[in-house]
Amino acid sequence: KQEVTQIPAALSVPEGENLVLNCSFTDSAIYNLQWFRQDPGKGLTSLLLIQSSQREQTSGRLNASLDKSSGRSTLYIAASQPGDSATYLCAVKAAGNKLTFGGGTRVLVKP
Amino acid sequence: NAGVTQTPKFQVLKTGQSMTLQCAQDMNHNSMYWYRQDPGMGLRLIYYSASEGTTDKGEVPNGYNVSRLNKREFSLRLESAAPSQTSVYFCASSPMKAGHTEAFFGQGTRLTVV
Repeated sequence: KQEVTQIPAALSVPEGENLVLNCSFTDSAIYNLQWFRQDPGKGLTSLLLIQSSQREQTSGRLNASLDKSSGRSTLYIAASQPGDSATYLCAVKAAGNKLTFGGGTRVLVKP
Repeated sequence: NAGVTQTPKFQVLKTGQSMTLQCAQDMNHNSMYWYRQDPGMGLRLIYYSASEGTTDKGEVPNGYNVSRLNKREFSLRLESAAPSQTSVYFCASSPMKAGHTEAFFGQGTRLTVV
């Protein structure tokens, strides 16, 4: 059974600092891994998707890495801004097209 | 671009009542999913349908039933609602392919059972 864990559950940083969010999964036989952002009371916004054959994916200030063999992904957000405050969720897609989520990391960027 | 559409957006039920949450996608995706999200938690998979005609249980299926009506629509039914089913429900869809196949989500249904 695939289990996805995100540590820490919450993170508070001053504006300008780089954010490092972690996601680990127990079964390395994945199709892909997707990072989402969720604002309070809202739906999910897809940030980045990394295929199982890729090592990293970049979009603007966001960079996500994937180490499939060790079951880990890291989302880096450079030069954080108060607008980056949100909950960040990772999800892995595996056999049967099943999509499993981690518990999320709640981020607060203080001005 | 409608994407994934969920109805209703909000619902209040009394304990024991039944209701069906509707989900439709217009992206010709094979796979569809139902999740619930409780305060401060991630998304937990209730049921999913890898392709039209198939459905499988996720982590928390008890108290729910699903119907994959056709390729576009995947409904979630609560036969006898309980306060423990108070949650936000999300529907999602994705192509049935490995690799670069992004999942897309609806805006959620906020359900309160009193």
